Amino acid sequence: EAGVAQSPRYKIIEKRQSVAFWCNPISGHATLYWYQQILGQGPKLLIQFQNNGVVDDSQLPKDRFSAERLKGVDSTLKIQPAKLEDSAVYLCASSLDGPRGAFFGQGTRLTVV
Amino acid sequence: DQQVKQNSPSLSVQEGRISILNCDYTNSMFDYFLWYKKYPAEGPTFLISISSIKDKNEDGRFTVFLNKSAKHLSLHIVPSQPGDSAVYFCAALKGGGATNKLIFGTGTLLAVQP
Repeated sequence: EAGVAQSPRYKIIEKRQSVAFWCNPISGHATLYWYQQILGQGPKLLIQFQNNGVVDDSQLPKDRFSAERLKGVDSTLKIQPAKLEDSAVYLCASSLDGPRGAFFGQGTRLTVV
Repeated sequence: DQQVKQNSPSLSVQEGRISILNCDYTNSMFDYFLWYKKYPAEGPTFLISISSIKDKNEDGRFTVFLNKSAKHLSLHIVPSQPGDSAVYFCAALKGGGATNKLIFGTGTLLAVQP
């Protein structure tokens, strides 16, 4: 079974630029998560989709972050404009039936300079 | 408000010995606790979990113990192997439904010395 695919693996941008990350979940997984992991911290949930609807985006900085899930499958996370404190690994995860069964992708390491 | 805490940022043990990773939590409403393992440049992978109604769960070399009165859980790895060297995250979950979210600790870097 193919895992959660993310791209790009690494991205370096200057502050105030925009960036987008892509995630392809495991086939058939209805729930998709985006996490932000800052160095030295645990992953923090940014947004959770159930099919193509948003279940939880309470920790998403909506003034600069946006996310969508196309046709309930792939998802993109965008940051515009980026700040230095956005430097982190952005992890996508998917599950059939809730976070206990979530599988994580390899993540995208973003560096904002 | 850090609801899940891993107070040891790193741990070093000798191959063949026991590794004990600790985790404390503040919310007595959590229903499940999970441990994830993360290698560099990879995403976290699920290792083992425990329901709040149990006090022990074992899977091969990995055992998780839960002490609800102390709001404390620990992961024991016996015997430790060099391939166990990774960051270990403790996570907690309230409820098992699809809308509930995992709350992660800050992680402990385990180094198993050959």
